[in-house]
Amino acid sequence: DAGVTQSPTHLIKTRGQQVTLRCSPKSGHDTVSWYQQALGQGPQFIFQYYEEEERQRGNFPDRFSGHQYPNYSSELNVNALLLGDSALYLCASSLGGRSYNEQFFGPGTRLTVL
Amino acid sequence: GNSVTQMEGPVTLSEEAFLTINCTYTATGYPSLFWYVQYPGEGLQLLLKATKADDKGSNKGFEATYRKETTSFHLEKGSVQVSDSAVYFCALRGGSQGNLIFGKGTKLSVKP
Repeated sequence: DAGVTQSPTHLIKTRGQQVTLRCSPKSGHDTVSWYQQALGQGPQFIFQYYEEEERQRGNFPDRFSGHQYPNYSSELNVNALLLGDSALYLCASSLGGRSYNEQFFGPGTRLTVL
Repeated sequence: GNSVTQMEGPVTLSEEAFLTINCTYTATGYPSLFWYVQYPGEGLQLLLKATKADDKGSNKGFEATYRKETTSFHLEKGSVQVSDSAVYFCALRGGSQGNLIFGKGTKLSVKP
């Protein structure tokens, strides 16, 4: 049973660039949530996608956007990168579009902005 | 708003020592409470959870009791092992949206 997978594992960008991170949910799951984990901090909720729509959003600027495909995989896009965007980006999948269902996390993508 | 505060780390213990990691929360209503564990190079794994007051979550020898009167959810284990070395996150889920809100994490190192 494949768990949550994310790509790439690591990424280095420069300020002002744009980045796309990808996530494939656990088999059978249809809901994807994205979190940002800065160094030494706990994860912070960015947004959640269900039925190809953004259903919930945390306190992140519009530079952060996403997409969900019909096969339930998801992308996180960040435009106009800032140094402060350097973090581990975690994807979590769950079932049924409801936040109270258990979320399973992927290993994350480590983004470094120089 | 909702928030979670957990004890600062790092915590270093010898094998077979007793572990307590403190966690307190602020929330409106009746949140669900969680402990997640993050091993090096891996994503978060759910360790245990409790959904209402006085519930005790337990898994792999770890326990935590949902204490509404003290707004706490402290993690305990009677005898830690080297393999328990990881970062532990306390989290809550509540409010209208229900997304997870995490504490800053506590790094545990267990020495043989």
